Amino acid sequence: DAKTTQPTSMDCAEGRAANLPCNHSTISGNEYVYWYRQIHSQGPQYIIHGLKNNETNEMASLIITEDRKSSTLILPHATLRDTAVYYCIVLYYGTASKLTFGTGTRLQVTL
Amino acid sequence: NAGVMQNPRHLVRRRGQEARLRCSPMKGHSHVYWYRQLPEEGLKFMVYLQKENIIDESGMPKERFSAEFPKEGPSILRIQQVVRGDSAAYFCASSPGEQYSYEQYFGPGTRLTVT
Repeated sequence: DAKTTQPTSMDCAEGRAANLPCNHSTISGNEYVYWYRQIHSQGPQYIIHGLKNNETNEMASLIITEDRKSSTLILPHATLRDTAVYYCIVLYYGTASKLTFGTGTRLQVTL
Repeated sequence: NAGVMQNPRHLVRRRGQEARLRCSPMKGHSHVYWYRQLPEEGLKFMVYLQKENIIDESGMPKERFSAEFPKEGPSILRIQQVVRGDSAAYFCASSPGEQYSYEQYFGPGTRLTVT
């Protein structure tokens, strides 16, 4: 599985868009980008995933660059409840199932 | 539709005792995963099970730890002769099947404290 690089921490004002970057320069053609988050002391929560097209769901949008070497998770209107550690995970869409969590980005949403 | 359930939420054991952690997957999910999170550290994969089968136990410590997912009932993570270093949050996740393996739904966790 490709390695990912994320900033250690980010701040965002409530109501503004939070843009969380992830570099995955060694990603291969059949590897997907997944995003999870962990709100303090809770179990991780699946957010979104994509292969090469941009994706949007009720929680967030995922923008993947054309060369697929990086992506950005966008929370369009961040709230205090979005304060969490966000994990970008690159996975081969095959038979393996375990998630490998790195250190992630600690997003702090402030008033 | 109830989510992944774990019990107990908090468990205190003395050194040398056994700890049993239970996980009931979401309805319709036949795949269960266990992860451990040590204090101030990230989540680490432990084991992946399907009904009555261990698929991947590459993250399980070689001794004292075992897991099962019987045909009926919850998945159990068992830690024998607990030591202080076993104190951690243990999270269970489930998924509906191999095609959706990476969309895992996590429970609230069991916080094990070894005194």
